[in-house]
Amino acid sequence: NAGVTQTPKFRVLKTGQSMTLLCAQDMNHEYMYWYRQDPGMGLRLIHYSVGEGTTAKGEVPDGYNVSRLKKQNFLLGLESAAPSQTSVYFCASSYRGRSYEQYFGPGTRLTVT
Amino acid sequence: TQLLEQSPQFLSIQEGENLTVYCNSSSVFSSLQWYRQEPGEGPVLLVTVVTGGEVKKLKRLTFQFGDARKDSSLHITAAQPGDTGLYLCAGAGSRLTFGEGTQLTVNP
Repeated sequence: NAGVTQTPKFRVLKTGQSMTLLCAQDMNHEYMYWYRQDPGMGLRLIHYSVGEGTTAKGEVPDGYNVSRLKKQNFLLGLESAAPSQTSVYFCASSYRGRSYEQYFGPGTRLTVT
Repeated sequence: TQLLEQSPQFLSIQEGENLTVYCNSSSVFSSLQWYRQEPGEGPVLLVTVVTGGEVKKLKRLTFQFGDARKDSSLHITAAQPGDTGLYLCAGAGSRLTFGEGTQLTVNP
C-alpha cells in the first residue's frame, strides 16, 4: 500500500517548456487535489477532481491544466512554464470532500529558469 | 475567500518548553484540521476538531476549537526535538483552506 505517489521528485525547466506531473493513489479515493506550496503562503489549491472524468478549478488555476482519466491517477500539466511557477507541488487525495482527511504525496520540486 | 491566519510564523524554543500556536479566521468552519509537515515530505494529519469548544489531546499536544468555530489553537507541553516541523491548520468551508503554517524548531 504505497498511498499517494508523485513523479518526478525534482525537475528543472526552462521558460516556455512544458511538462506533466503524475500523481497516483491506491486508496480508492474519490477526490484528488493539486496544491502548490510557496514560502509564507501555505498550500494553495490549483485544481481538484471529485471523481473520474471530472476536474474543477481551485484558487490558483492559471497556467495549469489537469486530467483525471482514471480514478487512481491525476495529472497536472504546465503548457508553457514561467519562473512564477517555481514551487513545490503536492498531490493529495481524500475519501470524500472537504471534511475528510487529505493524504499527501511527497511533493515535486519544480524550478523554472 | 476564507482566510486562515497562523501565528507565530516562526518559533524556536528549547527542549522542555511549552508553546502555543494560533489559527484565526473571520469565517466559520464546519471543522478544522491540523497537519504536521517534515522537510521533504507532504503534510500528515494530526487531528480534526468538529464541535465548537472541542478539546482533543494527542499525547503532549492539545488542540482546541473555538466556541464560534472561527479559530483554533495547538498547545505543546514539554516540547521535544522530534516535534520540529511545519504545523498547518486547515479549515473546512466550501473547500479546505490552509493557513500559512508555523515553522517550529525545538533545540536540544
